[in-house]
Amino acid sequence: NAGVTQTPKFQVLKTGQSMTLQCAQDMNHEYMSWYRQDPGMGLRLIHYSVGAGITDQGEVPNGYNVSRSTTEDFPLRLLSAAPSQTSVYFCASSYEMTGRTEAFFGQGTRLTVV
Amino acid sequence: GENVEQHPSTLSVQEGDSAVIKCTYSDSASNYFPWYKQELGKRPQLIIDIRSNVGEKKDQRIAVTLNKTAKHFSLHITETQPEDSAVYFCAASGSSNTGKLIFGQGTTLQVKP
Repeated sequence: NAGVTQTPKFQVLKTGQSMTLQCAQDMNHEYMSWYRQDPGMGLRLIHYSVGAGITDQGEVPNGYNVSRSTTEDFPLRLLSAAPSQTSVYFCASSYEMTGRTEAFFGQGTRLTVV
Repeated sequence: GENVEQHPSTLSVQEGDSAVIKCTYSDSASNYFPWYKQELGKRPQLIIDIRSNVGEKKDQRIAVTLNKTAKHFSLHITETQPEDSAVYFCAASGSSNTGKLIFGQGTTLQVKP
């Protein structure tokens, strides 16, 4: 199993450009999430999904869209990139069993908006 | 809303000493509390977790304690080694059956040889 795969690993965007960060998992997990990691602020939840066709907002959803058409894929779209969106983005998939929810993270995408 | 506070933000210890990281959470419905370790340039990985019906859990040199009444939980690392140097994140579960985790701000642990 590849686990959680994110592409690209690095990306530079100009202000106002749009792009999609890809995330795919092959573990048949129900839950998928997107986080952004900024120094001193930990991992902040952007959007999450409890299954195909169902998404919800997290702590910092503004400026981002998601969709979940299949169990495997959960792309994150930046509508109009801003310098404040410069960050490292992590996708995670997880499952719940006996009250535990272990999240498996992708390798991250380092995004710079200039 | 849901919030997790983590302290300290940085922690430096000598090899062999113990390290303690503390977290508090706001949502009384949270019932699952994992800890993740992130080495430099790598992805976060689960190292230990605890459910709300348990007060303490230990796995070799690491242990986690939970005080549900006070809404705080802690990570304890004993006999620290240089390879323990990393960023540690605590988290609390959101609503059940969502897979949602709210993370703390992270603690950078440096273990000096």
